Amino acid sequence: EDKVVQSPLSLVVHEGDTVTLNCSYEVTNFRSLLWYKQEKKAPTFLFMLTSSGIEKKSGRLSSILDKKELFSILNITATQTGDSAIYLCAVGYYQLIWGAGTKLIIKP
Amino acid sequence: DAGVIQSPRHEVTEMGQEVTLRCKPISGHNSLFWYRQTMMRGLELLIYFNNNVPIDDSGMPEDRFSAKMPNASFSTLKIQPSEPRDSAVYFCASSFEIGLGGPAEQFFGPGTRLTVL
Repeated sequence: EDKVVQSPLSLVVHEGDTVTLNCSYEVTNFRSLLWYKQEKKAPTFLFMLTSSGIEKKSGRLSSILDKKELFSILNITATQTGDSAIYLCAVGYYQLIWGAGTKLIIKP
Repeated sequence: DAGVIQSPRHEVTEMGQEVTLRCKPISGHNSLFWYRQTMMRGLELLIYFNNNVPIDDSGMPEDRFSAKMPNASFSTLKIQPSEPRDSAVYFCASSFEIGLGGPAEQFFGPGTRLTVL
């Protein structure tokens, strides 16, 4: 059965800390891994990863994929309270299989 | 671009009533997804359309749920009869995929918060 597992399920850190969120997967067909951020509304797109070892960056966020070990990490440096959200990982071929998400809380 | 449009944004109904949720995908997108999100089960894919054709409806929980996409700019998700356990946020998302070679970035609508009393 296809599955996407995210860890930790929740994380509380202080502003300025660096966090690493994990996403591991076992799927029959893989094409891409996507990261989304969900605050109180709909998920919004962060990154799409297709190739191993190539880091994608956007400001303080970065992500990398390891297709051999079947996982990806999402790093957030110098965290801010606005980073508080649920971070979702999704993997798939023509449709996405979603992880349960990591709830990140940044304390001032 | 207006993004994905969903209506209504909130719906409160009584058990047994019919509920219809509506979605207008982003113009030019050829794939549409209906999701349900709850605290207990997270984000679940209900059904996926490509070029207005249902490709995978294995996530539709029961026969009470049905979805249609009569054209490229409109889709509905209907629950008849509704039950309290259907209470959730229902998201519609759209994307542009070349054939079935995705996945592509999915753009989510604001969601419909459904409460069935």
